[in-house]
Amino acid sequence: GAVVSQHPSWVICKSGTSVKIECRSLDFQATTMFWYRQFPKQSLMLMATSNEGSKATYEQGVEKDKFLINHASLTLSTLTVTSAHPEDSSFYICSARYRRFGTYYEQYFGPGTRLTVT
Amino acid sequence: GQQLNQSPQSMFIQEGEDVSMNCTSSSIFNTWLWYKQDPGEGPVLLIALYKAGELTSNGRLTAQFGITRKDSFLNISASIPSDVGIYFCAGQPGNQFYFGTGTSLTVIP
Repeated sequence: GAVVSQHPSWVICKSGTSVKIECRSLDFQATTMFWYRQFPKQSLMLMATSNEGSKATYEQGVEKDKFLINHASLTLSTLTVTSAHPEDSSFYICSARYRRFGTYYEQYFGPGTRLTVT
Repeated sequence: GQQLNQSPQSMFIQEGEDVSMNCTSSSIFNTWLWYKQDPGEGPVLLIALYKAGELTSNGRLTAQFGITRKDSFLNISASIPSDVGIYFCAGQPGNQFYFGTGTSLTVIP
């Protein structure tokens, strides 16, 4: 299967600082990547869809100025949490869309990033 | 975003038992995916289904794409302790995948 990496795997930062999380598709090109947030024992909550070379599409209720997404290449998307606050502490997971064949796609996830804001 | 109805929400079973879970949607999907997520990690793709009626196996796991294209099933045979985790279904009606709410599986040795 396709491999997606995510870095860092965990990060602790102080309130008011910014944190950047990287998501890379290692063995395929991904024109579309997704960013999710997950709270303990809950399902994945889609935050935004990242398209290479264009602006990200944010889900309703997600602050685009707070969660900056950049998809500068076909293998890299970044999520920057700006002016982080303790309520931003969460598990952030990226995924990349992989074209299996024709119009059929699969979605592969990174290992996630645990963000703790103190 | 849209969520699929996944059931059951949680299961507690004895080691060696078989497990069944399913997902339903109000929309027709052209792809169904099943994932497993271990604590503190990202979901791992287990099985992908592309055609209505398709039955696909991956070891002790078997998944089916419902004939109506609005549901999918995942079965795990002869469960073992390492099957513990949260299982998610995902369906694709168009360009975006929608995820189920997850089934938490606990296997009692």
